[in-house]
Amino acid sequence: RKEVEQDPGPFNVPEGATVAFNCTYSNSASQSFFWYRQDCRKEPKLLMSVYSSGNEDGRFTAQLNRASQYISLLIRDSKLSDSATYLCVVPTSGAGSYQLTFGKGTKLSVIP
Amino acid sequence: NAGVTQTPKFRILKIGQSMTLQCAQDMNHNYMYWYRQDPGMGLKLIYYSVGAGITDKGEVPNGYNVSRSTTEDFPLRLELAAPSQTSVYFCASSSTEVGGYGYTFGSGTRLTVV
Repeated sequence: RKEVEQDPGPFNVPEGATVAFNCTYSNSASQSFFWYRQDCRKEPKLLMSVYSSGNEDGRFTAQLNRASQYISLLIRDSKLSDSATYLCVVPTSGAGSYQLTFGKGTKLSVIP
Repeated sequence: NAGVTQTPKFRILKIGQSMTLQCAQDMNHNYMYWYRQDPGMGLKLIYYSVGAGITDKGEVPNGYNVSRSTTEDFPLRLELAAPSQTSVYFCASSSTEVGGYGYTFGSGTRLTVV
């Protein structure tokens, strides 16, 4: 299994839809996980941190399944402004706790 | 709050030229990183530093050098630029433990080698 793997998409969804992204990881010792958002030609920005079983922030919910080693991101009531690439981020295997490995990202396009 | 500042934002280099990409952070973070991102690809770690005077190679260090003389600054040096180094370069920083805060990224340097 790759260190982190995401469905590249693209996901094209209408406004108001609910969309979910999955991400699998290989480092079973990982404790902290992250979802980042990257707009076209911009830097990645932290969207959510994920610990224990999950985290919720408004329309965004991240869930963690340690047994199956996957993380999911659910976006409810999609807005046009949610169009971006979403990066799944996990601690790097065999490295210090400060090192992260970034997935290639899942591209989301929300259409009117 | 400035966060992580990268300069320049854009640069075109000729093959064989050299340049330094600048990165500075004002958050007193110990850890700093350089990544490159090619179109449609993920971020690849070039070099990282865990504090002033300490640097180490990442996944793709060939063709690059770094130094960390202060906590704030982490420049990336390209020697003998090659077309394969055409990419977007991001600098990032984090506090001692990633914890709930992840990395803070600079806005990137878009480099083209022709």
